[in-house]
Amino acid sequence: GENVEQHPSTLSVQEGDSAVIKCTYSDSASNYFPWYKQELGKGPQLIIDIRSNVGEKKDQRIAVTLNKTAKHFSLHITETQPEDSAVYFCAARHTYNQGGKLIFGQGTELSVKP
Amino acid sequence: DTEVTQTPKHLVMGMTNKKSLKCEQHMGHRAMYWYKQKAKKPPELMFVYSYEKLSINESVPSRFSPECPNSSLLNLHLHALQPEDSALYLCASSRPGQADQPQHFGDGTRLSIL
Repeated sequence: GENVEQHPSTLSVQEGDSAVIKCTYSDSASNYFPWYKQELGKGPQLIIDIRSNVGEKKDQRIAVTLNKTAKHFSLHITETQPEDSAVYFCAARHTYNQGGKLIFGQGTELSVKP
Repeated sequence: DTEVTQTPKHLVMGMTNKKSLKCEQHMGHRAMYWYKQKAKKPPELMFVYSYEKLSINESVPSRFSPECPNSSLLNLHLHALQPEDSALYLCASSRPGQADQPQHFGDGTRLSIL
């Protein structure tokens, strides 16, 4: 079955720096890759997603890149702010999985220091 | 604010109690999900409903009983739970039928079993 590995598990940056979180997946048939941000006491919030027919997607300070050949995708946050501090989860979903099952990475705890 | 509403936010119950968790969405989504999340771990899928019918049960113990009374509501009935069932229970919804539809999560019910 699909397996998603996420690195690093913790990441500390200074405010204004960039942060990069990387994920690799095992099933080449996966075609949808969302990223979720989870703040303390809240549920996961979808922040950006990418489909397998696209190589890069941007939304203001957030971008995601996908390399289908290498089976990895990355989240890039520029000009980080303290409110970006949270746990970030990547996920992958299989093309033929009509049940909608997401396979999550183990999460990255991002800390942005003022 | 999340568009998936879960009640209650917190629940403490004994091992012999019966309680229910509720989830509501008004986005017109016809797929709804229950996840369990332990601290510092990714969400684990429990159940998927598609068009109000149970489509996936991830081998969840029978002390958890899901119900989808209509397209906007999802319940999780709890009975004779164990201390290891203490966790954050998340509800999510999405459009069904397409593997690349985003799932939107509620903020969860934090459950503690005494």
